[in-house]
Amino acid sequence: DTAVSQTPKYLVTQMGNDKSIKCEQNLGHDTMYWYKQDSKKFLKIMFSYNNKELIINETVPNRFSPKSPDKAHLNLHINSLELGDSAVYFCASSLSGRAQYFGAGTRLSVL
Amino acid sequence: QQPVQSPQAVILREGEDAVINCSSSKALYSVHWYRQKHGEAPVFLMILLKGGEQKGHEKISASFNEKKQQSSLYLTASQLSYSGTYFCGTVPGAGSYQLTFGKGTKLSVIP
Repeated sequence: DTAVSQTPKYLVTQMGNDKSIKCEQNLGHDTMYWYKQDSKKFLKIMFSYNNKELIINETVPNRFSPKSPDKAHLNLHINSLELGDSAVYFCASSLSGRAQYFGAGTRLSVL
Repeated sequence: QQPVQSPQAVILREGEDAVINCSSSKALYSVHWYRQKHGEAPVFLMILLKGGEQKGHEKISASFNEKKQQSSLYLTASQLSYSGTYFCGTVPGAGSYQLTFGKGTKLSVIP
C-alpha cells in the first residue's frame, strides 16, 4: 500500500486553466504539506495543515488554494495557471514535526 | 532562512567516503536529512535534535553541532545506490513544523 499517494502523476494543461491535485496518506499522520520543486530542484514549502488547520501559508500567489477535508487528505487547487507554475508538486505528511514522507509527485506542465 | 549546503556536487568511486555539510545563520532546533534520486520523491534519512547527537542509518551517519548551527552527513564505503541529491532541512524551534531545505548536494557514485 502506498503511504502517501498523489494524483495525477502528470498534468499537462494550457495557460489560464484551473486544475487540482489530490493527496491522501494512510500513515495516520496529523500534518500534511505541499512543496514545489522547480527546475533547479529547489524544494520550497507552500502550505501545511495540522489536524485540518492551516499552520504554514508561505508567500505564494493566491491562485493557489489548499483544502484539507480531513487529516488524511490535502488537495491543492490552482486557478488561472501560468507558465511559471510548471514544476513538480510534492505532497508530504508527518506525525507532528517529525520525519516527512513524500508522495511520488505531480509533474505540472503549463503550455 | 535557507541553510547552506556544501559541496554542491561530489563524485565518488565505490568504496570512498564523503561528507556533506549543512550550516545555518540562525539557531536550530533540529536538522533533517533526505535523499532524492532522479525522478523520484525525497526519502527521509534521519533527524537530529538539539544535543549534538549522532545518528546512523546503515553506513550513513550524521552529527549536529547546535552551537555552530551546523550538521554534517557522513557516507562511508559508498555504494552505487547512494547516488542522488542530498538535502538538509532545518527547523528553527521546538513545536515548529516549518522545514526549510538547502539547495541540495548532488552525489554521484561511479564504479
